[in-house]
Amino acid sequence: EIVLTQSPGTLSLSPGEGATLSCRASQSVSNNFLAWYQQKPGQSPRLLIYGASSRATGISDRFSGSGSGTDFALTISRLEPEDFAVYYCQQYGTSPPTWTFGQGTMVEIK
Amino acid sequence: ELQLVESGGGFVKPGGSLRLSCVGSGFTFSYAWMTWVRQAPGKGLEWLGRIKSRGSGGTTDYAASVKGRFTILRDDSQNTVFLQMNSLKTDDTAVYYCTTVYLEHIPAFDNWGQGTLVTVSS
Repeated sequence: EIVLTQSPGTLSLSPGEGATLSCRASQSVSNNFLAWYQQKPGQSPRLLIYGASSRATGISDRFSGSGSGTDFALTISRLEPEDFAVYYCQQYGTSPPTWTFGQGTMVEIK
Repeated sequence: ELQLVESGGGFVKPGGSLRLSCVGSGFTFSYAWMTWVRQAPGKGLEWLGRIKSRGSGGTTDYAASVKGRFTILRDDSQNTVFLQMNSLKTDDTAVYYCTTVYLEHIPAFDNWGQGTLVTVSS
């Protein structure tokens, strides 16, 4: 089973700053089946990025995903107050079909 | 507007069973692949299982942690997917979400319900 490790655990930043979140996989993620989700307190997760770099419908272009193989990143440019949340990466493996999540990175207001 | 609404959560004793439901609306439910994901209090997300559409075979796959205890079923006539949970343990205490899978070749979870809380305690 592929294990995803996210870093840092917590990122303390000010509005207007940029953020880079890392997601490292224990094995290569097939077909770049890597997604990113945002979860705010008391809310359900929301899909931000799929296929490592494609933005989901309605997602601001301040969010971008990059990477391949075992190293992936989510970049948030010019943090807005509503961006402070927990972010999870997720991968899909085909044999057998399974999905795994990283442990999450919290982006908090400094 | 697409909606997923879970229900059926509550208190159950260890060793007990519970069936969760998730009703979908605003999309063609019978075409959708559906999953269940849970989140223990203060913890991260854990995928539990997936059921394909009937047109794709209707097959299921499960996480190792719940295989043999949890079963996913669907009733397309009622636009509903179920999560049957047996032999529940205290570690199964969590908010349970149902989701849709974006596309077969884009295996991301594009829509989520609001979740239903399951508490396993004696």
